[in-house]
Amino acid sequence: DGGITQSPKYLFRKEGQNVTLSCEQNLNHDAMYWYRQDPGQGLRLIYYSQIVNDFQKGDIAEGYSVSREKKESFPLTVTSAQKNPTAFYLCASSMGVAEAFFGQGTRLTVV
Amino acid sequence: AQSVTQPDIHITVSEGASLELRCNYSYGATPYLFWYVQSPGQGLQLLLKYFSGDTLVQGIKGFEAEFKRSQSSFNLRKPSVHWSDAAEYFCAVGAWGQNFVFGPGTRLSVLP
Repeated sequence: DGGITQSPKYLFRKEGQNVTLSCEQNLNHDAMYWYRQDPGQGLRLIYYSQIVNDFQKGDIAEGYSVSREKKESFPLTVTSAQKNPTAFYLCASSMGVAEAFFGQGTRLTVV
Repeated sequence: AQSVTQPDIHITVSEGASLELRCNYSYGATPYLFWYVQSPGQGLQLLLKYFSGDTLVQGIKGFEAEFKRSQSSFNLRKPSVHWSDAAEYFCAVGAWGQNFVFGPGTRLSVLP
């Protein structure tokens, strides 16, 4: 079945550590997105990519980095520069203006 | 600036009662409109979408929404709520060449 797979589902990060969240899609979608969701809040856009080898900062890109080397993959790295990384991270993909399809999310916790 | 508002942060209804969740948007271009549902700890699932045509759209799980251009609204409705409908609901807009804009969400609680 086509869809978006995020891994891991739960991730723990120590202070000063970089961690990478995986996002893979087999929907053949051009666009991919990373959102951050905090308790009781909506979705905030971190990074997005409309095409392979190109990506743009969203509203809260500081402390995060991404790459888009393959159409189906859009990994997100949470760097040590992100001072408050504990959140729920959602990856999505879309084609044109059609709806966004979401993964099941990764919950990142700083320990 | 593009924005989506959902005036109700939290709504509580009794099982079997009707439901209406409000969504208003401010968008320069002709918007495409979406409603998503999110259960705790899960991703977002599309309930329904409006691109053009009939302004009353039907979605999954018995939901429907009505697009009212004059009021810049896209309210979500369900005639009879089930306990399993308890979740967070997000309204979103999109347009050609633009990223999606999501509302802050409305949390729905259902009383037995």
